[in-house]
Amino acid sequence: DQQVKQNSPSLSVQEGRISILNCDYTNSMFDYFLWYKKYPAEGPTFLISISSIKDKNEDGRFTVFLNKSAKHLSLHIVPSQPGDSAVYFCAASAPDGGSQGNLIFGKGTKLSVKP
Amino acid sequence: GAVVSQHPSRVICKSGTSVKIECRSLDFQATTMFWYRQFPKKSLMLMATSNEGSKATYEQGVEKDKFLINHASLTLSTLTVTSAHPEDSSFYICSAIAYSLGEGFYEQYFGPGTRLTVT
Repeated sequence: DQQVKQNSPSLSVQEGRISILNCDYTNSMFDYFLWYKKYPAEGPTFLISISSIKDKNEDGRFTVFLNKSAKHLSLHIVPSQPGDSAVYFCAASAPDGGSQGNLIFGKGTKLSVKP
Repeated sequence: GAVVSQHPSRVICKSGTSVKIECRSLDFQATTMFWYRQFPKKSLMLMATSNEGSKATYEQGVEKDKFLINHASLTLSTLTVTSAHPEDSSFYICSAIAYSLGEGFYEQYFGPGTRLTVT
C-alpha cells in the first residue's frame, strides 16, 4: 500500500507558466513533507519542505502548500523555466522519523518545461 | 549546504563478483546514513538504515547477506553487493542525516548515486 502518491507520472508546461505538482498521502501521522528534484543519473536534491504546523512555505519561485484535512500537498513553480525539467519526488516522514530521517517517497512526476 | 559523495559513480562488474560502494559525508558527521535503490521509472526504495558503530537495519525483502553495509566511522558508510547478478543492476543512492539548526530538524542529504551494471 503506497503511503505517498504522486498520481501524475508526467507534466508538460510552457516556459513562464505555472507548474503544479501534486502529492497525496494516506498516513495522518506524517508531520514533515519534502520535495526533491532529481536529474537522470543523479541523486535527489532537496528543494523545499513544510512541517504539518504550516499550510504554506515559499522559497523564491517554489511554494509548497499543505492541506492536512485532504492529506494533500502541492508544489508550485512560478515562473517555470526549462532548467526546471526534472523528476520531482514528494517525500514524507512521521514523528521521530525526522530524527531517523526515514523518508517515504512517492513515485515521482516528470516535469518538462518547454521553451 | 551539506555534501555527500559516493564512489564510484559508475561501475561495471561481472556476475558473481562483489562490488563496494562508498558513501561519505564531506563536511559533517552522520551517525545515520541510508541506502536507497532506484528501479527504472520507479521511486526510491529504502534498502537499509546504516548506523555508525552498530548493525544496519534492513527493510523487508532486502537480503542482509547480499547487501552488506558497514558504517565504520561518522563520515563513511559502505554498501557491498556480494555475488552480484544482472538483476542487481540499478542506481544506488545513499543519504546522510544532518541536523539543521535553522530548521530545527534533521535534514537528509543525498549522494550523487552509483550506477551498477552487472554483466
